[in-house]
Amino acid sequence: DQQVKQNSPSLSVQEGRISILNCDYTNSMFDYFLWYKKYPAEGPTFLISISSIKDKNEDGRFTVFLNKSAKHLSLHIVPSQPGDSAVYFCAASLDYKLSFGAGTTVTVRA
Amino acid sequence: EAQVTQNPRYLITVTGKKLTVTCSQNMNHEYMSWYRQDPGLGLRQIYYSMNVEVTDKGDVPEGYKVSRKEKRNFPLILESPSPNQTSLYFCASSLPAGHSPLHFGNGTRLTVT
Repeated sequence: DQQVKQNSPSLSVQEGRISILNCDYTNSMFDYFLWYKKYPAEGPTFLISISSIKDKNEDGRFTVFLNKSAKHLSLHIVPSQPGDSAVYFCAASLDYKLSFGAGTTVTVRA
Repeated sequence: EAQVTQNPRYLITVTGKKLTVTCSQNMNHEYMSWYRQDPGLGLRQIYYSMNVEVTDKGDVPEGYKVSRKEKRNFPLILESPSPNQTSLYFCASSLPAGHSPLHFGNGTRLTVT
């Protein structure tokens, strides 16, 4: 059974607006969370991460929020740009093992 | 350029014919791992290696073998491929420290008929 779930397979957003990607997990022992971005025909690339002892981490246009009590994290992209169109994977880490969600395909419309 | 290189990018084979997908990294990373990506399932870990001669099973190791004889190389071996191993495979590497982000290769698209 998948321990990390991204329930929205796709998201369409207008350029300049905010993109919000959601991720839920079931294992409360996960101690680190990461977001990866993937373009077609390429491998995933690291985007941003957050430790379980924090509730927010920001890097430029990207912010990740962690709600441990709800076992939920989200990625905010503000403002969204055409180059942000990609598949985004949420991942949770425990003892060097990463569990990934199924991914959310983001399309940024001009 | 720092990178993880997988070969081949595309592979079509028949059931039962042994194959190897190579993976090499030039970043002197101790940690290496293999994943498979399937629709609706995301990336699932097959095997990982903490260092030379140290390997361990991930979530879906059945039907796969790995070896880590050198730090830079981590080949994935399918001794007797079956159609359910048709997938997109990614190799990745990272520093061992805690939660270092993974560096991924560009993937190998495997089709087993």
